[in-house]
Amino acid sequence: SQTIHQWPATLVQPVGSPLSLECTVEGTSNPNLYWYRQAAGRGLQLLFYSVGIGQISSEVPQNLSASRPQDRQFILSSKKLLLSDSGFYLCAWSVMMNTEAFFGQGTRLTVV
Amino acid sequence: GNSVTQMEGPVTLSEEAFLTINCTYTATGYPSLFWYVQYPGEGLQLLLKATKADDKGSNKGFEATYRKETTSFHLEKGSVQVSDSAVYFCALSPYNNNDMRFGAGTRLTVKP
Repeated sequence: SQTIHQWPATLVQPVGSPLSLECTVEGTSNPNLYWYRQAAGRGLQLLFYSVGIGQISSEVPQNLSASRPQDRQFILSSKKLLLSDSGFYLCAWSVMMNTEAFFGQGTRLTVV
Repeated sequence: GNSVTQMEGPVTLSEEAFLTINCTYTATGYPSLFWYVQYPGEGLQLLLKATKADDKGSNKGFEATYRKETTSFHLEKGSVQVSDSAVYFCALSPYNNNDMRFGAGTRLTVKP
C-alpha cells in the first residue's frame, strides 16, 4: 500500500534562517506531488506541484522554493524565513489528474 | 480559474442533529469532487468523493451528491456524533490539469 511521510512534525525557526522540509512517498511510481500551506484558521493554499523529477510548478510568488530530486521525494525550502512563513505545511500526492490526493501528517512551522 | 466556495463556520451542533455544509464550485469541464476531514494537528483525510454528475459519495454516514446543474457538492449527515468534530474541506480536481483546489474549510463542533 502507499504511504506518505513528512517531517519534521514541528519546527521552530528564527527569522532569517533557512528551511528544508522533506516529503517522501512509498508504494507508487511517478506520483503527482504537492505542497500546501494552511495558515491558522484558514484554508489550504497550493504552493507548488510537480508531475515529475525536476518539474516544479509554482502557484504564487513567495519566499519559498521546491525541488524534486527523486521520483518520490519532494522538498520545500527557503533561504531566509520570514515571520509570515509560519503555518501548517502539508505534502500530498496523487496518481494522476482528476483523482484524489493523499496527505501527510503536516509540519507545524513557527518562525520567531 | 477553478475555485471552491464552502459555507463559513464555525458550525456548532448538538449530538444527533442533522448536518449540512454547503459547497459550490467553479471549473471548466467535469472535475472530480471531494470532501476531506482534518482532525486537530493532523493532515487531511479523504472522506468521500464523486467523479461525475449525479454520483453520490458516501462514507461513515456522510453523503454528498455531485450536482452539475447547480455546481454544488453539499455534505450531509443525518445524525452527527461528538467524534465528528473536525474541520471539513470541499475540494475539486480538474479533469485536465493538476491544480487541485480546496475550499476554506468549515469547523464543526458537536456537543454532547
